[in-house]
Amino acid sequence: NAGVTQTPKFQVLKTGQSMTLQCAQDMNHNSMYWYRQDPGMGLRLIYYSASEGTTDKGEVPNGYNVSRLNKREFSLRLESAAPSQTSVYFCASSDRGLTGELFFGEGSRLTVL
Amino acid sequence: KQEVTQIPAALSVPEGENLVLNCSFTDSAIYNLQWFRQDPGKGLTSLLLIQSSQREQTSGRLNASLDKSSGRSTLYIAASQPGDSATYLCASRFGGYQKVTFGIGTKLQVIP
Repeated sequence: NAGVTQTPKFQVLKTGQSMTLQCAQDMNHNSMYWYRQDPGMGLRLIYYSASEGTTDKGEVPNGYNVSRLNKREFSLRLESAAPSQTSVYFCASSDRGLTGELFFGEGSRLTVL
Repeated sequence: KQEVTQIPAALSVPEGENLVLNCSFTDSAIYNLQWFRQDPGKGLTSLLLIQSSQREQTSGRLNASLDKSSGRSTLYIAASQPGDSATYLCASRFGGYQKVTFGIGTKLQVIP
């Protein structure tokens, strides 16, 4: 049972480069989320998708774009990476209706030089 | 704006001790509250989920309670083990349903 799968697990970028973080879930969840985790700041929501075909900004969306490719997949793109985007990124999913329980991937550790 | 606070930030206890981790939140209009465990370099693992209509949930040696009126949740760990060493986070889902606010976590060390 894979749950939420993120790729890549580690990435080093130079300032100005672009990249896409991929996320897929196999739990048939409607809602998917992208968070970043920074020391002393907890997890902060970047973007979320309440259902296939919809996306909305979270708390810290600047510098990011997302695509809800289908019900299973939700990708996060950094168009022009900045050192301030050095962080650990987590994808999560939840069942919108029943319990709202969040399930997380293992994280993607991104360093921007 | 919902704020979630976890105190203490770190806790060290001897093996076998019962312990309580605290989580407080400012907006009592929550849908649910969820406790997670995070091991170093890993993702968040869901431990317990309490719906707003519930007072507590239990799983094995773990018991989580919810008191909306006081804006508090506690995670009780019985007979702690070294394998319980990790960071424990709480999160509340509130407002527009999609909003989830996390605490910064309590780093627990259980000493053999």
